[in-house]
Amino acid sequence: AQSVTQLGSHVSVSEGALVLLRCNYSSSVPPYLFWYVQYPNQGLQLLLKYTSAATLVKGINGFEAEFKKSETSFHLTKPSAHMSDAAEYFCAVSLLYNQGGKLIFGQGTELSVKP
Amino acid sequence: EAGVAQSPRYKIIEKRQSVAFWCNPISGHATLYWYQQILGQGPKLLIQFQNNGVVDDSQLPKDRFSAERLKGVDSTLKIQPAKLEDSAVYLCASSLPGELFFGEGSRLTVL
Repeated sequence: AQSVTQLGSHVSVSEGALVLLRCNYSSSVPPYLFWYVQYPNQGLQLLLKYTSAATLVKGINGFEAEFKKSETSFHLTKPSAHMSDAAEYFCAVSLLYNQGGKLIFGQGTELSVKP
Repeated sequence: EAGVAQSPRYKIIEKRQSVAFWCNPISGHATLYWYQQILGQGPKLLIQFQNNGVVDDSQLPKDRFSAERLKGVDSTLKIQPAKLEDSAVYLCASSLPGELFFGEGSRLTVL
C-alpha cells in the first residue's frame, strides 16, 4: 500500500534562510509525487509534481523538489524563504498519473517564517 | 477561468442534525472528488466521480454520508446524522490528468 510521511509537523525558518520540508513515501511501484500548499482558509494549490520525466522538479514560487528513489524521498526546498511562504505544505502520492486527483496525502508541515 | 466553487464556507450544527455541501467544478472537468480534512491531518479521499458515475467510494462512511453528481456537473455531499468526529473541512476538487484543482472548502463544526 502507498503511504506518505512528512517529517516534522512544524518548521520555522528566518526570512532569507533555506527552506527544507521532508517527505518520504512508500510504494510498491514507481509513484507519482506531488507537493501542495494551503494558505489559511483556502484550498490546496499545486506547487510541483514528479512524473518520472526528471528527478529534479521545479515548481512555482521558487520551490523545487528532488526525487531520490534510493532514499524513497521527495523533499521540498527553497533557497531563500519569504514571509509569504508561511503556509501548510502537503506531500502526496498517486500510483496512476491519470488519477492525479486520487491522492494519498501526508499529514502536512506548517511552515512559519520569522522576520 | 473560474475555479471550483463550494458552499457554504462555514456551517455549525448540533450532532444528529443533517448538513449538505455543494460543489461546482471547473467547466469541462469530468472528474470530481470530495476530500475530508480533519484539523491537523492531510486530506482524505471520500468519493470520486467520473461524470455522473461513482468511481471510488470505498472511504465514504455510507451509513451517514451520501453524495451525488446529477447531470455530471454539480455535486452535493450530505451528512445525516452528523457526529462530533465529522467536524472537518470538506474539500471539493476537480481534475485534469495529473493535477487537482481544489475549492476553498466547507468548514463543518459539529457541537
